Amino acid sequence: GAVVSQHPSWVICKSGTSVKIECRSLDFQATTMFWYRQFPKQSLMLMATSNEGSKATYEQGVEKDKFLINHASLTLSTLTVTSAHPEDSSFYICSAQRAGGISTDTQYFGPGTRLTVL
Amino acid sequence: AQKVTQAQTEISVVEKEDVTLDCVYETRDTTYYLFWYKQPPSGELVFLIRRNSFDEQNEISGRYSWNFQKSTSSFNFTITASQVVDSAVYFCALSERNNFNKFYFGSGTKLNVKP
Repeated sequence: GAVVSQHPSWVICKSGTSVKIECRSLDFQATTMFWYRQFPKQSLMLMATSNEGSKATYEQGVEKDKFLINHASLTLSTLTVTSAHPEDSSFYICSAQRAGGISTDTQYFGPGTRLTVL
Repeated sequence: AQKVTQAQTEISVVEKEDVTLDCVYETRDTTYYLFWYKQPPSGELVFLIRRNSFDEQNEISGRYSWNFQKSTSSFNFTITASQVVDSAVYFCALSERNNFNKFYFGSGTKLNVKP
């Protein structure tokens, strides 16, 4: 199957610090990865689309300078929450789409990272 | 406007009961995909099904079945003989032709299956 991992699974940090979250496709290559945010008991909202070797595409309302995305290889995308504040506390989920496939290929989701900013 | 509506916020059933989770979508595209995902307490989204807009055949996979009706813009999900392990939040999602990568998720339905 297609496995996507995220690290860390949970993180607690102090306000003002930066946090990096990794998303890896373990058994396939992914030219495209996606970052979602989920508030408690709410739905997932797409934050940005991460393309290997190019700049990420951010959804409207998402601050690209606050949520830095880097997709340096075909198996790794990172999301860095810069100068985190309590309102950034959320569940961050990534998904990956197989390289070489078509745009309608299924996205495979990671297990999520729970970020708590004190 | 909400593209995907899951009107049932939470449903509780007793084990072995059948349960149907509703999903109503809205799109102007004639080509689109519909999905169902399961999110257990651990948080990981588990892919259940993908259906394209041109395939209205109902699908059955074990205890799971899906009813896709374009006439009512609905893509309902039924679990037959529910089990405690089915307890989770279930999300319906839509992606459209202008950007198949962008998923519009419904607000989710929390299913509680009691022994």
